[in-house]
Amino acid sequence: GAGVSQSPSNKVTEKGKDVELRCDPISGHTALYWYRQSLGQGLEFLIYFQGNSAPDKSGLPSDRFSAERTGGSVSTLTIQRTQQEDSAVYLCASSLADREAGELFFGEGSRLTVL
Amino acid sequence: AQSVSQHNHHVILSEAASLELGCNYSYGGTVNLFWYVQYPGQHLQLLLKYFSGDPLVKGIKGFEAEFIKSKFSFNLRKPSVQWSDTAEYFCAVNAGYGNNRLAFGKGNQVVVIP
Repeated sequence: GAGVSQSPSNKVTEKGKDVELRCDPISGHTALYWYRQSLGQGLEFLIYFQGNSAPDKSGLPSDRFSAERTGGSVSTLTIQRTQQEDSAVYLCASSLADREAGELFFGEGSRLTVL
Repeated sequence: AQSVSQHNHHVILSEAASLELGCNYSYGGTVNLFWYVQYPGQHLQLLLKYFSGDPLVKGIKGFEAEFIKSKFSFNLRKPSVQWSDTAEYFCAVNAGYGNNRLAFGKGNQVVVIP
């Protein structure tokens, strides 16, 4: 597609369940980012993938969070044993190589609600 | 670590009023600076950016921003707002080559009353 595609757009789950959020970046974009947007908190960086390099996981809030990117394209963010504080909109973005890294193109997000 | 401060998180103004949103960052080296906008129900999109050169940057929809290095600021302005400018505005900083992620401010929720 023309833009960054995320699924599901909305997810409601029970506390303690695992969830998977998917991101399909813009074709040809080598960099992929996950951010979390909570009400009134702005965007919190979670993880960054660039080509075949080791990902920058420094923003992941706990070991319940993990992400992978298969074949340098689609990425999956997994949250295990979800907690109510995980409720947020999870945004995926992609960009071209490092020089253009700041020009992020965002998806519409996956809204996660943990009951 | 980089940090980005945005003030006046909620701004309400009438059409044709002027808008200025402040953005300050804490990083002493070379930076790339951005403003992103999120219209209601839409995804984040780039409004304007500064990489180098003229510190007065013009973006889409009549917005502009000025980079003042000595003040670590990158304030966003629009001389005359329209109802369609109702949105949330985010300032973001990238510390340049080798640091690929953006640090975002908490955003300004702007409501323009017709």
